[in-house]
Amino acid sequence: DGGITQSPKYLFRKEGQNVTLSCEQNLNHDAMYWYRQDPGQGLRLIYYSQIVNDFQKGDIAEGYSVSREKKESFPLTVTSAQKNPTAFYLCASSLQGFNTEAFFGQGTRLTVV
Amino acid sequence: EDQVTQSPEALRLQEGESSSLNCSYTVSGLRGLFWYRQDPGKGPEFLFTLYSAGEEKEKERLKATLTKKESFLHITAPKPEDSATYLCAVRSESTDSWGKLQFGAGTQVVVTP
Repeated sequence: DGGITQSPKYLFRKEGQNVTLSCEQNLNHDAMYWYRQDPGQGLRLIYYSQIVNDFQKGDIAEGYSVSREKKESFPLTVTSAQKNPTAFYLCASSLQGFNTEAFFGQGTRLTVV
Repeated sequence: EDQVTQSPEALRLQEGESSSLNCSYTVSGLRGLFWYRQDPGKGPEFLFTLYSAGEEKEKERLKATLTKKESFLHITAPKPEDSATYLCAVRSESTDSWGKLQFGAGTQVVVTP
């Protein structure tokens, strides 16, 4: 089955630690995205990538880093510099181009303990 | 700057009581308006894409319409399984935000039997 897989579903992190969230897609999509969702708020864009080895900062990139070494994979690292990392993180992908919808994974809930 | 505003924030309906959700937007050239449904703890599920004013799309009890300033999601004779948060998102032709998908905060819909 084609789709987007995020792992893990739940993640706990101690303060001061970096943590990496995985996102893999087998839809042959060029573009991939990372969003953060907090209660009562819309999805806020962290980073997006239109092609391999290229990515751009979204609206809230501070404290996060990404890589895009393969078309299928777009991992997100939440660094210790992110002041309030507890949130629901969503990965998405789409075909290249303006008029194309994005498809989402099931999300990773990150909690800082 | 592109902006997307959804109203109301929450909507409680009796089963069979039709209603509409609003998504108003300001973008520098619309390149697509997208509706998603999101269940608690899950990733958003794609519903519709609208490209130009006057366009309409239907799926079961849902119908999406688009004008030059806003989109409506009409829910006809809703059932409890239509309970979810409905998200609206836009893409603009702005070169600064090429590829970005800007989301509204969503409307939480609860349908009671």
